[in-house]
Amino acid sequence: QSVLTQPPSVSGAPGQRVTISCTGSSSNIGAGYDVHWYQQLPGTAPKLLIYGNSNRPSGVPDRFSGSKSGTSASLAITGLQAEDEADYYCQSYDSSLSGSMVFGGGTKLTVL
Amino acid sequence: QVQLQESGPGLVKPSETLSLTCAVSGYSISSGYYWGWIRQPPGKGLEWIGSIYHSGSTYYNPSLKSRVTISVDTSKNQFSLKLSSVTAADTAVYYCARLSGSYVGWFDPWGQGTLVTVSS
Repeated sequence: QSVLTQPPSVSGAPGQRVTISCTGSSSNIGAGYDVHWYQQLPGTAPKLLIYGNSNRPSGVPDRFSGSKSGTSASLAITGLQAEDEADYYCQSYDSSLSGSMVFGGGTKLTVL
Repeated sequence: QVQLQESGPGLVKPSETLSLTCAVSGYSISSGYYWGWIRQPPGKGLEWIGSIYHSGSTYYNPSLKSRVTISVDTSKNQFSLKLSSVTAADTAVYYCARLSGSYVGWFDPWGQGTLVTVSS
């Protein structure tokens, strides 16, 4: 049971827009801690996709965007491409239990 | 650019201690940043293990704290993980990563990961 809750899977056709939610609580996202997103292609290490809720590292296409509101955050992908098929994870910090970095359970994106 | 590379035994016996090292290139650990370990059991999600500052201060996942030790060797520009009393549940791909934006920040970049299997 992850501290941050993500849908196990989402899907969309090429060119469509999909969103992935990340729901937390008052001790993590709701406490003001930033949310970060990672993309993990099959058999590879996670790669930073969004940091600080909505910032894209250099090299990440602007088709990827992030937002945060209250105790939740979202990752949006527009103009879906086959190469976007991957697992996506959100991450934040939780101030309970002496403090801990926490990840969502991950969402498998399938491009139909 | 900064690169990280994990190394260590791929097979550890139950009840023994798992030991891994993360070699950092392209950046001097002593210059700053937190550095962390994350693991991923086969077919499952990511779990943060712990992080260390270049000065040596550490903080650990409360669920693993009693078994984890992370240390840094600035002379070799590397940091290490020790996980004691391992069981099959500790079988996972172990990643090391740099932590940006302070101790509550984000992990970037990551090492390629190393699979550790706990089995007799």
